Amino acid sequence: AQSVTQLDSHVSVSEGTPVLLRCNYSSSYSPSLFWYVQHPNKGLQLLLKYTSAATLVKGINGFEAEFKKSETSFHLTKPSAHMSDAAEYFCVVSDPGTYKYIFGTGTRLKVLA
Amino acid sequence: DAGVTQSPTHLIKTRGQHVTLRCSPISGHKSVSWYQQVLGQGPQFIFQYYEKEERGRGNFPDRFSARQFPNYSSELNVNALLLGDSALYLCASSLVPAEQTEAFFGQGTRLTVV
Repeated sequence: AQSVTQLDSHVSVSEGTPVLLRCNYSSSYSPSLFWYVQHPNKGLQLLLKYTSAATLVKGINGFEAEFKKSETSFHLTKPSAHMSDAAEYFCVVSDPGTYKYIFGTGTRLKVLA
Repeated sequence: DAGVTQSPTHLIKTRGQHVTLRCSPISGHKSVSWYQQVLGQGPQFIFQYYEKEERGRGNFPDRFSARQFPNYSSELNVNALLLGDSALYLCASSLVPAEQTEAFFGQGTRLTVV
C-alpha cells in the first residue's frame, strides 16, 4: 500500500532563511510524488511533481524537491523563505492502481519576520 | 483560462438533510475526483470519475454518491448528513486518470452540519 509520512507537523523559519519540509514515502512501485500548498481558506496548488524523470525537481516559487529512493524520501526545500510562503504543505503519492492521491497529514510552515 | 470551479463556496445544513455539491473541471479535462478535508487533516479520497464512469471509491459510506455529466462536470451528493460530515470538500480535475498526471484542485466547498 502507498503512504506518505510528513515528519513535522509545524515548521518555523525566519524570513530569508532556508526551508526544509520532510516527507518519507512507502510504495511497492516506482512512485509518482507531488507537493501541494494550501493557503488559508484556499484550495490546493501544485508546487511540483516527480514522475521518474530527474530526481531533482524544480517547482514554482523557488521550491524544489529531491527524490531519494535509497532513503524513500522526497523532501521539499527553498533557499530563502518569504512571508508569503506561510501555508500548509502536503506531500502526496499517487496510487498506481486507482490513481487516487494519498495525502500526508500536512506541515504548517510559519515564517517569522 | 478558468480553473476548477466549485459551488457553492459555503453552506450550512442540518443533521439528516441532503446536500449536493457541484464541480466544473478545467476545459478539456475528463477526469474529476472528490476529496474530503476535515479540519487539521489531509484530504481523503472519496470518488474518481472518468468519462462518466466511476473509476475509484474511497472508504466512505453509501450516503456519499456522485456522478459525472456528459460535459464532464460532476456532482457529489451526501444524504442523511451527520455532524462528522462537516469538512472542506475539494474537487480535482485532470486530463485523464493516470499515475503521473497532476490534478488541479478547486477552492472547495465548506460544508457545516449543525
